[in-house]
Amino acid sequence: AQRVTQPEKLLSVFKGAPVELKCNYSYSGSPELFWYVQYSRQRLQLLLRHISRESIKGFTADLNKGETSFHLKKPFAQEEDSAMYYCALSRRVTDKLIFGTGTRLQVFP
Amino acid sequence: DTAVSQTPKYLVTQMGNDKSIKCEQNLGHDTMYWYKQDSKKFLKIMFSYNNKELIINETVPNRFSPKSPDKAHLNLHINSLELGDSAVYFCASSPNSGDAFFGQGTRLTVV
Repeated sequence: AQRVTQPEKLLSVFKGAPVELKCNYSYSGSPELFWYVQYSRQRLQLLLRHISRESIKGFTADLNKGETSFHLKKPFAQEEDSAMYYCALSRRVTDKLIFGTGTRLQVFP
Repeated sequence: DTAVSQTPKYLVTQMGNDKSIKCEQNLGHDTMYWYKQDSKKFLKIMFSYNNKELIINETVPNRFSPKSPDKAHLNLHINSLELGDSAVYFCASSPNSGDAFFGQGTRLTVV
């Protein structure tokens, strides 16, 4: 069965510190991988997807098929990055999203 | 214009009642979903519809019944509400590119 694991429930850093939110997945095929973000009192929204290989709000994520990981990174955290982050997997473009349990990022001033 | 909109935003009701949550998307997407976010913030798929046809029905009690009158709407009806149904329910739509656009959520509280 497909599974997405986010080992950290909470990650606290100070402003300006590097951030890495971990995500590991289990799926035998070639998955589509995403990071979603939910700011306080706002809807869940797509942050980035692995096939785009883009940087959004300074965040990047590289798919490592050998380690089955898709960690989210940002070199210098900002206070406005504080939010709930979900890693998600889709088996194919028309399939549902399978979410990890989420990591709450707190960035202190 | 809101892309995916849900109503109501908040819903407080007593055990045993029947309630509905409505969802509409104006993005022209073929696929719509209902997700449940529990008190621990776990997000789990409940249902998925593609062009008004049910394609995913996870292990959800049959008290939950989705209805899609057309491609732009996916409503969720819940019968005989229980305390454990309290959660935030998110509607989403997808252009079949793997990602999804979410509504703002409906916080259901069963008392």
